[in-house]
Amino acid sequence: AQSVTQPDIHITVSEGASLELRCNYSYGATPYLFWYVQSPGQGLQLLLKYFSGDTLVQGIKGFEAEFKRSQSSFNLRKPSVHWSDAAEYFCAVGASMFSGGYNKLIFGAGTRLAVHP
Amino acid sequence: DAGVTQSPTHLIKTRGQQVTLRCSPKSGHDTVSWYQQALGQGPQFIFQYYEEEERQRGNFPDRFSGHQFPNYSSELNVNALLLGDSALYLCASSGGTGSYNEQFFGPGTRLTVL
Repeated sequence: AQSVTQPDIHITVSEGASLELRCNYSYGATPYLFWYVQSPGQGLQLLLKYFSGDTLVQGIKGFEAEFKRSQSSFNLRKPSVHWSDAAEYFCAVGASMFSGGYNKLIFGAGTRLAVHP
Repeated sequence: DAGVTQSPTHLIKTRGQQVTLRCSPKSGHDTVSWYQQALGQGPQFIFQYYEEEERQRGNFPDRFSGHQFPNYSSELNVNALLLGDSALYLCASSGGTGSYNEQFFGPGTRLTVL
């Protein structure tokens, strides 16, 4: 079955510290992988995506993620966290009943990030 | 460009009632997907509309139905509301079904069922 697991429900870091949010997926075919961020009262904003090629992908707001097929993981990282990064982060895999591309996103339960000043 | 817009922002209904949520896609997008996000959970795919037809459906009962209009806007209808239908309903638009294009999300409609 297709699924996404985010093992950490809640993470707290100090401003300026590094960050890594974990994501593991289960998907039979080549995965299309995404990280989204959701601030309170707002919709989801795409941080970055992986379709193919270089396994280290760069995104917006200084985030990056690394695809590791052998570990079925797609962890999100940031070298120095800012107070404005406090939000909910969702990892997702794109799935499709058709060949090529994706139709739906399968999300993990999310990781809530708190940032201490 | 207004992006994806949804209405209303908030809605309160009672059990057994019916509700209609609306979504206008981002300019140039022809595909609309709907997701349900219960409190403390990630969004779950309800269904996707393209060319006014439902192209793919998630694991939701027939009480959940939708429609897409010629201008690509979409409605989500939920009949016989249950307490468990309380959630944030997100609409996402993209350029084409089965595509590699980003799905852009709206701010959502918060539905509370009493």
